[in-house]
Amino acid sequence: GAGVSQSPSNKVTEKGKDVELRCDPISGHTALYWYRQSLGQGLEFLIYFQGNSAPDKSGLPSDRFSAERTGGSVSTLTIQRTQQEDSAVYLCASSPRLLGGYTFGSGTRLTVV
Amino acid sequence: GQQVMQIPQYQHVQEGEDFTTYCNSSTTLSNIQWYKQRPGGHPVFLIQLVKSGEVKKQKRLTFQFGEAKKNSSLHITATQTTDVGTYFCAGSNSGGYQKVTFGTGTKLQVIP
Repeated sequence: GAGVSQSPSNKVTEKGKDVELRCDPISGHTALYWYRQSLGQGLEFLIYFQGNSAPDKSGLPSDRFSAERTGGSVSTLTIQRTQQEDSAVYLCASSPRLLGGYTFGSGTRLTVV
Repeated sequence: GQQVMQIPQYQHVQEGEDFTTYCNSSTTLSNIQWYKQRPGGHPVFLIQLVKSGEVKKQKRLTFQFGEAKKNSSLHITATQTTDVGTYFCAGSNSGGYQKVTFGTGTKLQVIP
């Protein structure tokens, strides 16, 4: 596609429920990131995929968070047993090569009530 | 781990004044990127600097990469209301692949 697509754009869920957030990167982009941004705050790194290499999961805040990238394309971020502190905008970004700027999606705004 | 700090955290300027944000890394960087995030939007890539001492310009924006490749700056000349937003730097270390670490961001408000 022309850009990075994220779905859903908004998600309201009850505390304790599981949620899945989806990211469709730009076709051919080998690098894919997930970030989290709370209101008015900076970008918190979650996980990084680069080609066929093992993902860098060092930013995942707890074992309730997991992510996968199937076929080197679409990525899904899963949050189990959501907590109120998980409320934030979850941003996905992709890049075509080792040296290159990242294109961000519009994000998924997650609200846990 | 690598840390990237930006100063100032916030800056209010009168329209027409200049603005500068500074980015400092705890480790030597292989390259640095700059992004702009408008209120309610997502970060948008502006530029990448790779060489020590490199200077690049985009209209009223001037980007510099320090000689030691541990710091960078973004300078905006004669700010306009369209410059409002948060500016992030993002540095990559000399690892085998480009994992960038985003700075803390500088939020710019331009007063008309």
